[in-house]
Amino acid sequence: QVQLVQSGAEVKKPGASVKVSCKASGYTFTGYYMHWVRQAPGQGLEWMGWINPNSGGTNYAQKFQGRVTMTRDTSISTAYMELSRLRSDDTAVYYCARDRLERLYGMDVWGQGTTVTVSS
Amino acid sequence: QSVLTQPPSVSAAPGQKVTISCSGSSSNIGNNYVSWYQQLPGTAPKLLIYDNNKRPSGIPDRFSGSKSGTSATLGITGLQTGDEADYYCGTWDSSLSAGGVFGTGTKVTVL
Repeated sequence: QVQLVQSGAEVKKPGASVKVSCKASGYTFTGYYMHWVRQAPGQGLEWMGWINPNSGGTNYAQKFQGRVTMTRDTSISTAYMELSRLRSDDTAVYYCARDRLERLYGMDVWGQGTTVTVSS
Repeated sequence: QSVLTQPPSVSAAPGQKVTISCSGSSSNIGNNYVSWYQQLPGTAPKLLIYDNNKRPSGIPDRFSGSKSGTSATLGITGLQTGDEADYYCGTWDSSLSAGGVFGTGTKVTVL
């Protein structure tokens, strides 16, 4: 079946980096954009950016530019999101989600989420 | 801060209907497709509506979406206890800081 499986929970210190993986299965990985969305505790959804797995092209939310890097490895159908210079307010659940195009037409498959905790 | 405004909460009895509004502007809802997501406690969001008013396979027709101008609406009829969740609208914002945007979220309570 079509699914996205993310890597496990992470605990990081302020100033460190975290890299979350998202492995796709059951569909053509390069045929859909991969978006990253995060949700801080008790808060709403926040869009972080997307990667086009076919071309490797990316588009990051202005808020995260300079701190986020999205990459992919087509040989293993996996997308990655790396966030650097972590702060306590980066503590959140991070989701990957696929969409047929780049403009949030509708993200129909989501990963299970990866909890990232930033604490000294 | 989200650029899309939703009511914090709506409620109704089982079997009744609720509507959730999502208010934006010409740079987002006014010129882009809207999608809606349901998030049950402790789970990932689930797509309910895409392209303003289309339902993915498996989503019952109790859920409907519409868009008019710079606002969108999600309707849920025949409310069930399993519908108790948070609901978010989402779209693209074509302003200078172009990117995806979500609504503030609405908690649906089944009385």
